[in-house]
Parts: sequence; C-alpha cells; structure tokens
Amino acid sequence: DAGVIQSPRHEVTEMGQEVTLRCKPISGHNSLFWYRQTMMRGLELLIYFNNNVPIDDSGMPEDRFSAKMPNASFSTLKIQPSEPRDSAVYFCASSRQGASGETQYFGPGTRLLVL
Amino acid sequence: QQQVKQSPQSLIVQKGGISIINCAYENTAFDYFPWYQQFPGKGPALLIAIRPDVSEKKEGRFTISFNKSAKQFSLHIMDSQPGDSATYFCAATLNAGNNRKLIWGLGTSLAVNP
Repeated sequence: DAGVIQSPRHEVTEMGQEVTLRCKPISGHNSLFWYRQTMMRGLELLIYFNNNVPIDDSGMPEDRFSAKMPNASFSTLKIQPSEPRDSAVYFCASSRQGASGETQYFGPGTRLLVL
Repeated sequence: QQQVKQSPQSLIVQKGGISIINCAYENTAFDYFPWYQQFPGKGPALLIAIRPDVSEKKEGRFTISFNKSAKQFSLHIMDSQPGDSATYFCAATLNAGNNRKLIWGLGTSLAVNP
C-alpha cells in the first residue's frame, strides 16, 4: 500500500510568488494534518482535517496560508504571497481517527526555499 | 498547559550504552503518548506509544516509562546502535471532543558513536 504522497519534493521560489503544496493521504484514512518543520520552531501543526472538514486551523500562521481538502484523497496547502520566512519542510500526515492509537503516517515532506 | 516539554535537546551516547529522553506535560486531558523517530530527509515515523493506564511498555530495545502522578514519560533505548542516530519526538494526544491533535515536544537529536 502506498504511503502518504507529497508533491513537489523540493520547491524553490522567489518572494511574492504563490506556492502550492499537494498531498494524497493513505487510502481509508479520514484525518489529514499539515505540519511545518524548522530548526528554530520544531514541528508545528498548521491545520488538521477530519472527514475533509477543517477541525483546527489555529496553527496557520496568517492569512497568506490556506488549505483545502476537496475530497478524501487530496489536499493542498497554499502560500500566497510567499516570504523568505516561510522556508521550511512541510509535511503532510494522515491517520485513521477512531482507530486505536491513531498513528499518524507522514509523507516525505516538501522542502520549500523562498528566496 | 498544552505543551509537552522534552529534554535533552541533544544527546551523544556510545554504542551499547543506554539513551534516555524525558518528557513532561501538564494537561491531564492527554490520553495517548507516542514517540516518533525521524531520520534526516524523512518524515517522522511512530516508534512506540503508551496509554496512561500503563506504567511501562517495551518493544525490543525501546521502552517507555510512564509516571502518571508526576506527569512525566521517558524513552529508554537499550544497547544503543549507530543506526539509532535520529531525532526523537515525544508527543501527546489532546482529547478535546472531535479534535484529537498531537501536541509535540521539540525533539531530541541522538547521535550514537560507533
């Protein structure tokens, strides 16, 4: 079974440009999480969907960030306009909420560099 | 109250030694405590987890010790190997109705010298 799929794996863009990160969760999982990881701040939860509905977006840094989950097999995280401080590794994770333990399975991440 | 405090930030252990990473929390609404392991260039992956009704859980060389009254839990890696070199995160699941997000520690970078 394929794991969480993220694209692109690497993204280099210039300040002010729009960036779209994509995620395909594991089939059958009903929870999806977007994280940002930096050396300074560690692993931060940005937003969390359950059954395609946003449950907690308290970690979304500001209005420049938006996330959607139009169906159970696809989610996007968009940054518009991007800034150098957005440079980080962005992870998508999925889980089957309600299952014992609720293990989150992480994708390989998207390494974003904003120049 | 939603924080999980992890220490040390980094750890160097000789091959065959014991690695110990500690975490502490305040919120009694946490009801599930996983440890994740992350290798460079990869996403975190679940290593071992425990529920608060159990004081210890062991899987191979990895053991979680849980002290509910002290609100502390720790990861012990016995006979540490160079392949264990990674970043380790403790976490706790906050049970808030429909919102069951993980609250993460800041991570411990473990280096096991050969």
